[in-house]
Amino acid sequence: ETGVTQTPRHLVMGMTNKKSLKCEQHLGHNAMYWYKQSAKKPLELMFVYNFKEQTENNSVPSRFSPECPNSSHLFLHLHTLQPEDSALYLCASSQEKSGGATGELFFGEGSRLTVL
Amino acid sequence: KNEVEQSPQNLTAQEGEFITINCSYSVGISALHWLQQHPGGGIVSLFMLSSGKKKHGRLIATINIQEKHSSLHITASHPRDSAVYICAVRSMDSNYQLIWGAGTKLIIKP
Repeated sequence: ETGVTQTPRHLVMGMTNKKSLKCEQHLGHNAMYWYKQSAKKPLELMFVYNFKEQTENNSVPSRFSPECPNSSHLFLHLHTLQPEDSALYLCASSQEKSGGATGELFFGEGSRLTVL
Repeated sequence: KNEVEQSPQNLTAQEGEFITINCSYSVGISALHWLQQHPGGGIVSLFMLSSGKKKHGRLIATINIQEKHSSLHITASHPRDSAVYICAVRSMDSNYQLIWGAGTKLIIKP
């Protein structure tokens, strides 16, 4: 039990499908993150939510749409993805102090996405 | 040249050996993270440090801010330590962005 739970762990979808990845953290943290990890590449930060407000969007294509309904839940809605979007999507959370991010990151197990 | 460089990229050792993984960075930082990723994909934070040395069980992390260098040591290594070890730094210029190293793949043979 890592305190950060991601579902589903594996997802296969076609390019015309709509699906969502879910992340839930049980740590009482105030910041949540979506990262993308492609094969043999460093992690790429996609989105950050701090106190439910999106504070970072790293030029992510609009076919990825995040939603943070409360400080414990984070979704990544997927629509008309491309095969090159196949990757491991990792959710993380941290406890941030005002004025900047200083907290240790806690990661979920990841959702392995394959786009056909 | 990447802003965070890890060495070696791959390391294979025998059980019981003392392991050292290095991380060098070229930016001013507010913190450095060491993380572990197992084949299943999940990532575990091992250390977050901004100065000196931290120890947790058989793991030791050190950082030299002047030299912009950090090391992760594993004493009495065990096959279950086999994983990818990742160094990431939080730049002083950034609130949430971490600059990630490419990782060091460690295999400990019984």
